[in-house]
Amino acid sequence: DADVTQTPRNRITKTGKRIMLECSQTKGHDRMYWYRQDPGLGLRLIYYSFDVKDINKGEISDGYSVSRQAQAKFSLSLESAIPNQTALYFCATRGGDLNTEAFFGQGTRLTVV
Amino acid sequence: AQSVTQPDIHITVSEGASLELRCNYSYGATPYLFWYVQSPGQGLQLLLKYFSGDTLVQGIKGFEAEFKRSQSSFNLRKPSVHWSDAAEYFCAVGGIRRNNDMRFGAGTRLTVKP
Repeated sequence: DADVTQTPRNRITKTGKRIMLECSQTKGHDRMYWYRQDPGLGLRLIYYSFDVKDINKGEISDGYSVSRQAQAKFSLSLESAIPNQTALYFCATRGGDLNTEAFFGQGTRLTVV
Repeated sequence: AQSVTQPDIHITVSEGASLELRCNYSYGATPYLFWYVQSPGQGLQLLLKYFSGDTLVQGIKGFEAEFKRSQSSFNLRKPSVHWSDAAEYFCAVGGIRRNNDMRFGAGTRLTVKP
């Protein structure tokens, strides 16, 4: 089983709908992240969480919200999806020490029509 | 805040040729530096990382990278490219303080010609 699991892997939704992307991890890491990937823009940080009670906005948090339900679970919500939120979304985890790398899920491809 | 620039959006090399992918960072101190690879339809896999010490670091799949403080660079190299190296490559910088988290470059897409 993957260390970082994202569900769903693919989703098509309509403009204005609420959608939740889920992420769970088995690495026991405290830090969890949500990134979105767009062609030519790389990965941009949406939100990150250092632990269950510590959630921080990233570069592009507008239009998104998150919930850290447990150490192992970090979900991303789009309250009212719009077409420019069509992207590939990645969840990642990282250990407590800053000199550690991030581990990524397989990604969720979201299309808003 | 830290940032990272990958000047080359797309690079094409012939199989067997050498490769260098450029990465420049901006940060007030020496950051933590990473290279990731993303194969089509896949997530990101770590190739190598630099924290301190020897400025030439070895990674998986025959890749290496050299940290040059004077140039704020962390370029990725491979002496002989294989067709399976075709992918997108991302450089990332991580800050040394708690709230300076990881930032990624825009990526460089590598095409390998037969």
